[in-house]
Amino acid sequence: GDSVTQMEGPVTLSEEACLTINCTYTATGYPSLFWYVQYPGEGLQLLLKATKADDKGSNKGFEATYRKETTSFHLEKGSVQVSDSAVYFCALKSNAGGTSYGKLTFGQGTILTVHP
Amino acid sequence: KAGVTQTPRYLIKTRGQQVTLSCSPISGHRSVSWYQQTPGQGLQFLFEYFSETQRNKGNFPGRFSGRQFSNSRSEMNVSTLELGDSALYLCASSTGLLTYEQYFGPGTRLTVT
Repeated sequence: GDSVTQMEGPVTLSEEACLTINCTYTATGYPSLFWYVQYPGEGLQLLLKATKADDKGSNKGFEATYRKETTSFHLEKGSVQVSDSAVYFCALKSNAGGTSYGKLTFGQGTILTVHP
Repeated sequence: KAGVTQTPRYLIKTRGQQVTLSCSPISGHRSVSWYQQTPGQGLQFLFEYFSETQRNKGNFPGRFSGRQFSNSRSEMNVSTLELGDSALYLCASSTGLLTYEQYFGPGTRLTVT
């Protein structure tokens, strides 16, 4: 079945440091890929997405590129801020129909803490 | 455009009771998916409703059920509550197209004592 593996956390960085959170996936066909962010006490917010190979999703300084050959979708940011402290989830949406309807498969989440 | 709303935000129930959670999707969205989030299991898919029909279901016992109304609002019901049902329950709305992204509500925090 589909699965998503994220790098183990938590990740602690100083402000303005570079961020990379690794995400790899296993899925049949060509899934859509997403990064969601969850702030304390809140639901998930869609951060960025990519729907086909070599697509680059970007938002708020975050980027991720859909790499079919390595089945990866790593999240990157060049300079993190304290306000980026949150939990980040990589997710995939199979496009195979049937049992894929409405279902996102999530990684385990990576806690990011940014210190001033 | 208003976002996804969930009510109630917090709930405390006793083992053996039942509970109903509500979700109102973004206007125009016809699909509602439900997820359970726990520290141990992470985010797990419960089921999805589209145009009042359940299109997909995750691996949860029959105590977990749901429905969707003609205005796309959805309810989730858990009967005979167990301690392990304590979790954050999230609903997500989308257009229902196969490549769609999902937009999440703030969740309902259920505590079973």
